[in-house]
Amino acid sequence: GAGVSQSPSNKVTEKGKDVELRCDPISGHTALYWYRQSLGQGLEFLIYFQGNSAPDKSGLPSDRFSAERTGGSVSTLTIQRTQQEDSAVYLCASSHPAREVTEYGYTFGSGTRLTVV
Amino acid sequence: GQQLNQSPQSMFIQEGEDVSMNCTSSSIFNTWLWYKQEPGEGPVLLIALYKAGELTSNGRLTAQFGITRKDSFLNISASIPSDVGIYFCAGRAPGTASKLTFGTGTRLQVTL
Repeated sequence: GAGVSQSPSNKVTEKGKDVELRCDPISGHTALYWYRQSLGQGLEFLIYFQGNSAPDKSGLPSDRFSAERTGGSVSTLTIQRTQQEDSAVYLCASSHPAREVTEYGYTFGSGTRLTVV
Repeated sequence: GQQLNQSPQSMFIQEGEDVSMNCTSSSIFNTWLWYKQEPGEGPVLLIALYKAGELTSNGRLTAQFGITRKDSFLNISASIPSDVGIYFCAGRAPGTASKLTFGTGTRLQVTL
């Protein structure tokens, strides 16, 4: 597609429920990243996928968070047993393998705003 | 995780004024990037810097990669209302592949 697509754009869920957030990267981008942006905060790294390599999960805040990337394209971020502190905007980004982030930086989606009530 | 210190946190300026914001890190970076985020959108890349001392302009925006590789600044000249948004610095540390560390953001408000 023309840009990084994320769905849903907004999600309100009850505390304790599981949620799935979806990211469709730009076609041909083999690197995919998930970041979290809490109110008034910067972007917190969560997880990074690069091609067929094992993902870098070093930013996942707890074992309630997991992500997968099927077929090297679409990615799903899953949060189990959501808690109020999970409320944030979850941003997905992708980058081109040859040009790397050093040339163009990431291209971000518009994010999913998650509210846990 | 690693974080960048970005200042100021927010700025309220009048249209036409110049703006300056900066980012510092306790460790060196190989690349510095500046992004702008508007409400309801993801950050968009403004300027990328690749070597120490580099000074790069993009229209009314000018950014520099500090000599020590631990800091960067962004200047906006003659601000206009559409400059409103949150500006983030981001850096790539050696040995971290393409993973970026982001600053905490500077919220810019421009009044007429």
